[in-house]
Amino acid sequence: GQNIDQPTEMTATEGAIVQINCTYQTSGFNGLFWYQQHAGEAPTFLSYNVLDGLEEKGRFSSFLSRSKGYSYLLLKELQMKDSASYLCAAFNRNSGYALNFGKGTSLLVTP
Amino acid sequence: EAQVTQNPRYLITVTGKKLTVTCSQNMNHEYMSWYRQDPGLGLRQIYYSMNVEVTDKGDVPEGYKVSRKEKRNFPLILESPSPNQTSLYFCASSLSWFSRDTGELFFGEGSRLTVL
Repeated sequence: GQNIDQPTEMTATEGAIVQINCTYQTSGFNGLFWYQQHAGEAPTFLSYNVLDGLEEKGRFSSFLSRSKGYSYLLLKELQMKDSASYLCAAFNRNSGYALNFGKGTSLLVTP
Repeated sequence: EAQVTQNPRYLITVTGKKLTVTCSQNMNHEYMSWYRQDPGLGLRQIYYSMNVEVTDKGDVPEGYKVSRKEKRNFPLILESPSPNQTSLYFCASSLSWFSRDTGELFFGEGSRLTVL
């Protein structure tokens, strides 16, 4: 699989905005996903970016720069329930049809 | 209800005793995959399947087998489990190969396996 890097942990305050970054190998890149995973539960889909730019879905937005091998997930108006692990995953056609995940960023939202 | 179902959800077994973790989806999805999740290592892909009778290795296939004889089922087989296969396993499926509109992976609830 390819190298996908994201911070291990982040802390933010309720009501604030937080940005979670993800970098990946650009060679063969074909699309990037963000998933949310609460402790003890299965991951759930947040977004999929294949083209450059920002995609907004309510409080969550995801950005992609294909040339820089960079993505971020932006969470606005943070709520306590947003405390979870956020997983970046990239599809790379050089890896066949495998989908490789980063190790995840554990976000703690404090009052 | 659309879902991915894994069984068993929890299992404690001993080294060398063959076991199968079943995975079934009711959404007519073409793509199915198995992942294991370990602390500090994240989700790692074991095997995936593009469609019936089409399977391929992911990043960590050693010690595992899969089959895809029917579209809805994708069992994970551990022929001779070892303690390093103690992990949380997830099965996931997707409608087709990651087109813009069908890229979402649906995950099962996970199977926690302990090999003593």
